[in-house]
Amino acid sequence: DIQMTQSPSSLSASVGDRVTITCRASQSISSYLNWYQQKPGKAPKLLIYAASSLQSGVPSRFSGSGSGTDFTLTISSLQPEDFATYYCQQSYSTPCTFGQGTRLEIK
Amino acid sequence: QVQLVESGGGLVKPGGSLRLSCAASGFTFSDYYMSWIRQAPGKGLEWVSYISSSGSTIYYADSVKGRFTISRDNAKNSLYLQMNSLRAEDTAVYYCARDRGFPSAFDIWGQGTMVTVSS
Repeated sequence: DIQMTQSPSSLSASVGDRVTITCRASQSISSYLNWYQQKPGKAPKLLIYAASSLQSGVPSRFSGSGSGTDFTLTISSLQPEDFATYYCQQSYSTPCTFGQGTRLEIK
Repeated sequence: QVQLVESGGGLVKPGGSLRLSCAASGFTFSDYYMSWIRQAPGKGLEWVSYISSSGSTIYYADSVKGRFTISRDNAKNSLYLQMNSLRAEDTAVYYCARDRGFPSAFDIWGQGTMVTVSS
């Protein structure tokens, strides 16, 4: 199975900050990398698919980049509603696997 | 609107069984691969199983293989997960999720149903 490792595991930031979360795959996954946002008690929400494609309805302050084994999710200017946990997920091979999550907290 | 609604969760004893259902609406269910994904309390996401649009292709995580069975009824716009020989480590919120297609990603999720395995 492909292992997905996110860093950092938690992050404190302020409204208006630029934030970057990193995801690394244990082997090359081309661009088959997705990002999700999850708020407490809610289902995950797809933000970015195929490494850099913005899901319909997701604000443009979210962006993704990378290919191969190293990927990033960037939030250009944090808004209050962005404080949540973020997960990466590879869809290159079965079983698809998720990173352990990055908890984004208010500083 | 596009929606997935899970049901069937609850408290069950170790070794017991439970059947989860997921009702789809607002889209052509038979066009999409579907998955079950779970999340243990305070933990991350774990993919459990997927089924192709026709039901002809099925995969399971090693952790549930031989104990769980995924199925679908396209006429009823419904997805199912039969869970047998349940263990304490199966305790989790279970989500059904739609796969958007190539490139694959889970674009629609249900609200989740809680399964608790405890004596």
